[in-house]
Amino acid sequence: GQNIDQPTEMTATEGAIVQINCTYQTSGFNGLFWYQQHAGEAPTFLSYNVLDGLEEKGRFSSFLSRSKGYSYLLLKELQMKDSASYLCAVKDSGYALNFGKGTSLLVTP
Amino acid sequence: DAGVIQSPRHEVTEMGQEVTLRCKPISGHDYLFWYRQTMMRGLELLIYFNNNVPIDDSGMPEDRFSAKMPNASFSTLKIQPSEPRDSAVYFCASSPLGQPPSGNTIYFGEGSWLTVV
Repeated sequence: GQNIDQPTEMTATEGAIVQINCTYQTSGFNGLFWYQQHAGEAPTFLSYNVLDGLEEKGRFSSFLSRSKGYSYLLLKELQMKDSASYLCAVKDSGYALNFGKGTSLLVTP
Repeated sequence: DAGVIQSPRHEVTEMGQEVTLRCKPISGHDYLFWYRQTMMRGLELLIYFNNNVPIDDSGMPEDRFSAKMPNASFSTLKIQPSEPRDSAVYFCASSPLGQPPSGNTIYFGEGSWLTVV
């Protein structure tokens, strides 16, 4: 089985930087994904890590430490449109993704 | 290219009725997934198919739920009989076969919002 933990809610100010953490325990590991989900919409792919280290993609970066079972998503220069739920997901030995419950991020003016 | 297409988008039904949710995956994708999302439990995997064959249905909550994929472009998720606790958003998603990242990226449909009263 898998256990994926992330904070339930976070609040940050427009223009600031926020880090959303995710810890996981899994019997196999073939990658960690971050998805963004706006209210009432489908999850959309943000980032993917399979090796340790930082992957940067514009304002968003994702970090992975496999030995610690830990990842974070870093959002820079926050914008109001970044208010959404951020889902951490792990791919184990199967082909499906197993998702955490998500972190609801509120960006305030 | 069209994304994953689901129908109906919204359904309200009475307890005991049969519910059928439909999905058309992205053309050429080898994997199809059915997920369910609720506030309490988050996004849960129900079942997934590879080349129309069910691979893992361990997430299907009970015998009232069934899923089929008769061909590469169509899948159904059926609940019979439906119960109020089945109220949730049901997402269909698909993924191509290949190396990361594209081979592992799952693309979601807009979801079917089910309310059982």
